[in-house]
Amino acid sequence: DIQMTQSPSSLSASVGDRVTITCRASQTISSYLNWYQQKPGKAPDLLIYAASSLQTGVPSRFSGSGSGTDFTLTISSLQPEDFATYYCQQSYSIPPTFGQGTKVEVK
Amino acid sequence: EVQLVQSGGGLVQPGRSLRLSCTASGFAFGDYDMTWVRQAPGKGLEWVGFIRSKVYGGTTENAASVKGRFSISRDDSQSIAYLQMNSLQIDDTAVYYCVRRRRFLRYGNDAFDIWGQGTMVTVSS
Repeated sequence: DIQMTQSPSSLSASVGDRVTITCRASQTISSYLNWYQQKPGKAPDLLIYAASSLQTGVPSRFSGSGSGTDFTLTISSLQPEDFATYYCQQSYSIPPTFGQGTKVEVK
Repeated sequence: EVQLVQSGGGLVQPGRSLRLSCTASGFAFGDYDMTWVRQAPGKGLEWVGFIRSKVYGGTTENAASVKGRFSISRDDSQSIAYLQMNSLQIDDTAVYYCVRRRRFLRYGNDAFDIWGQGTMVTVSS
């Protein structure tokens, strides 16, 4: 199975900050990488697919980049509704696997 | 509105069975693979398995942790996906999500784009 490792596991930030979360795959996965946002008590939402494509309806302050084994999710200017946990997920091979999550908290 | 509404779940004793249902609306259910993902309390997301659409053979894949115990099926005439869980264990305790798997043919990628509300399954004596 492909292991997905996110860093950091948590971070503290303020509204307006630029936030970057990284995700590393244990083997190359081309651009088969997705990002999700989950708020407490809610189901996850798809933010980014194919490493850098923004899902319909997702604000443009979210962006994704990377290919191969190293990927990044960036929030250009953190908004109050962005405090949540973020997961990366590879769709390169079965079983699809998720990172352990990065919790973005209020500083 | 595109949505997945889940039912089933609850408290069950170890070794017993439970079936979860997921009813879709607002999209052509038969055209999509359907997936189950679970999340243990305070933990991350774990893929459980999926069933492909009939166009892709209608076959299933399951995680190693549930293989031989869990099975996924679908009724396209009623737009329902099922997760049959047998021989339940304590560590199957989790919120179970029904999820639509969308194929992005342009990219050769797929992602989980529509999620049900989740249903809690607690395995305890």
